[in-house]
Amino acid sequence: RKEVEQDPGPFNVPEGATVAFNCTYSNSASQSFFWYRQDCRKEPKLLMSVYSSGNEDGRFTAQLNRASQYISLLIRDSKLSDSATYLCVDLNAGNMLTFGGGTRLMVKP
Amino acid sequence: NAGVTQTPKFRILKIGQSMTLQCAQDMNHNYMYWYRQDPGMGLKLIYYSVGAGITDKGEVPNGYNVSRSTTEYFPLRLELAAPSQTSVYFCASKPVGNEQFFGPGTRLTVL
Repeated sequence: RKEVEQDPGPFNVPEGATVAFNCTYSNSASQSFFWYRQDCRKEPKLLMSVYSSGNEDGRFTAQLNRASQYISLLIRDSKLSDSATYLCVDLNAGNMLTFGGGTRLMVKP
Repeated sequence: NAGVTQTPKFRILKIGQSMTLQCAQDMNHNYMYWYRQDPGMGLKLIYYSVGAGITDKGEVPNGYNVSRSTTEYFPLRLELAAPSQTSVYFCASKPVGNEQFFGPGTRLTVL
C-alpha cells in the first residue's frame, strides 16, 4: 500500500465549478500535511498547509481527518489558471516528506 | 535570494556515461533532497541530507551517489547512465518542519 494515495484524475470541470480532492495516508505518526501544486513541466510549489482544525486561503479550503487518515482540498469558483496537478504531502517524525502521486485538474471554459 | 538552483536544465547522455547534477541553495537550509519524477508519476526520493557531511538513501538510491560537503551544495552523481534513469530530477531544500523549496529541475534523457 502506498503511503500517500490520491486519485490521479483527471478531474475535468467547467470554470466556476467547485471541485474536491481527497488523499489518504497510511502513517499514523505523520505530523503535518501539505498540498503542493505542480504546473506542467515545472517544479512543485507549496499551495497550503493543512491544519487539524481546517483552514481556508481564498477559494481553497483544506481539511484533515486524523481518525480516518484523510486530507481534502476544496477549490471553489474554479479558474482556468487552477489547471494543474495537486500533490498531497505528509511530513513524518523524521522530517521526511512523502508525496502522493498527484491529482490532475483541468478547468475548461 | 536565488533559492534552489539546478544545473544543467537539460542533458542527453549515452548509456554508460556519467554525469553530476548540480544543486545549490542560499537559504542556509539544513535539509536537502533529490527526487526523480517519471512522466505522469509522483516524486520518488533518491537521497537526502540532514546537514553537511550527512547523507542517507531514500526510496530509489540505486545507480546514484551524493555528497554534502557544505550546507549550500548537494550534487547528485550518476556513474553508469541507464535508460531507466531517464527522468526529471528535482532538488529541494527546507528548514526544520516547514515548507520544502524546489529547484526548477533537470531533464535527463539516457539513450
